[in-house]
Amino acid sequence: DIQMTQSPSSVSASVGDRVTITCRASQSISTWLAWYQQKPGEAPKLLILAASALGSGVPSRFSGSGSGTDFTLSINSLQPEDFATYYCQQADSFPFTFGQGTQVEI
Amino acid sequence: EVQLEQSGAEVKKAGESLKISCKASGFSFETYWIGWVRQIPGKGLEWMGIIYPGDAETTYSPSFQGQVTISADKSISTVYLQWSSLKASDTAIYYCARRATYSDSSAPSKSNWFAPWGQGTLVTVSS
Repeated sequence: DIQMTQSPSSVSASVGDRVTITCRASQSISTWLAWYQQKPGEAPKLLILAASALGSGVPSRFSGSGSGTDFTLSINSLQPEDFATYYCQQADSFPFTFGQGTQVEI
Repeated sequence: EVQLEQSGAEVKKAGESLKISCKASGFSFETYWIGWVRQIPGKGLEWMGIIYPGDAETTYSPSFQGQVTISADKSISTVYLQWSSLKASDTAIYYCARRATYSDSSAPSKSNWFAPWGQGTLVTVSS
């Protein structure tokens, strides 16, 4: 299985801050990577696909970059509704492993 | 509207059997992979398996192979996840999720991101 390692596991930030989360794959996955947002009590929501393409209806303050083994999710100008847990997921081969998650908290 | 509607919360005893469901609507059921993801409360997300309803091709994560069965009923656009003998360690929220990209066959491919997701089914197993 491809292992996905996210960091940090949690980050404290304020409204208006820029937050960056990184994700590393144990082998090259090209740009076959997705990012999801999960709020408490809700299902995950697709944010970013193909490493850098915004999902449907996702605000432009979210951006993704990277290829191969190293990827980044950035949130510009953090909004109150962005406080959540974020997961990367490799989309290359089954099982489509997730990172362990990054909790963005106030 | 593309939707996945999951069955309600379950409370079971260890050793009992269980089948939970995920009903699809708003898209061509037979041509999208649908998967199941486990989330133990307070923990991360784990892929259990996926099914291509068109031909019932199913792939399981090694961690879940032999522990659960995934199936689909094309006549009612519903995917199932079942256990023959539950354990307390099966206590979790289970989500179904649709591969966002259409597939014209069950051949493996890339671009395996998932949207939408069902609302989740909480399964509680007491010992």
